[in-house]
Amino acid sequence: GIQVEQSPPDLILQEGANSTLRCNFSDSVNNLQWFHQNPWGQLINLFYIPSGTKQNGRLSATTVATERYSLLYISSSQTTDSGVYFCAVDNYGQNFVFGPGTRLSVLP
Amino acid sequence: NAGVTQTPKFRILKIGQSMTLQCTQDMNHNYMYWYRQDPGMGLKLIYYSVGAGITDKGEVPNGYNVSRSTTEDFPLRLELAAPSQTSVYFCASSHSGDYGYTFGSGTRLTVV
Repeated sequence: GIQVEQSPPDLILQEGANSTLRCNFSDSVNNLQWFHQNPWGQLINLFYIPSGTKQNGRLSATTVATERYSLLYISSSQTTDSGVYFCAVDNYGQNFVFGPGTRLSVLP
Repeated sequence: NAGVTQTPKFRILKIGQSMTLQCTQDMNHNYMYWYRQDPGMGLKLIYYSVGAGITDKGEVPNGYNVSRSTTEDFPLRLELAAPSQTSVYFCASSHSGDYGYTFGSGTRLTVV
């Protein structure tokens, strides 16, 4: 099946810093999502982005499907951005395969 | 809207016991999913459903069963609980396979 890698596995930032999270996948995909899991375990859908670029406030995402990667940008990070960020991809199946996640800690 | 509601939030089972994890959504979504998340890991798909009366296995279905008698409900049944089933279980729904997911708040299950 399709393989999903995320980098870096862990990231520590000072509040106000910017960061880029990467998701690589091993096969062509027709769908891709980014999720944030907060420290209390709640999973929130950030972006549904099979291709192109989207922005929502301080967060933006870009997927280059032909090169099999997606990037999540976090600008002016805040402590509330802490948690684990997951990329999930669907390669023409009925469901999404999740990557291992990037654990982000934003320090005050 | 309540979104996706999971019950219970926490449960401790003894080895060999059975239980049902409940999942209900009020968004009239066709697609529903059960995932498990082991400590420090990503999510793995257990079962999914594309509509009432239709279910299919995911990546890790062994030891679990599901049913989908209505659009709203997608319960997950554990038979003969084993320590390897200690995990956090998430239910999710989507309008179709091409739309983003909405997750429930999770059920933390410990088998001792």
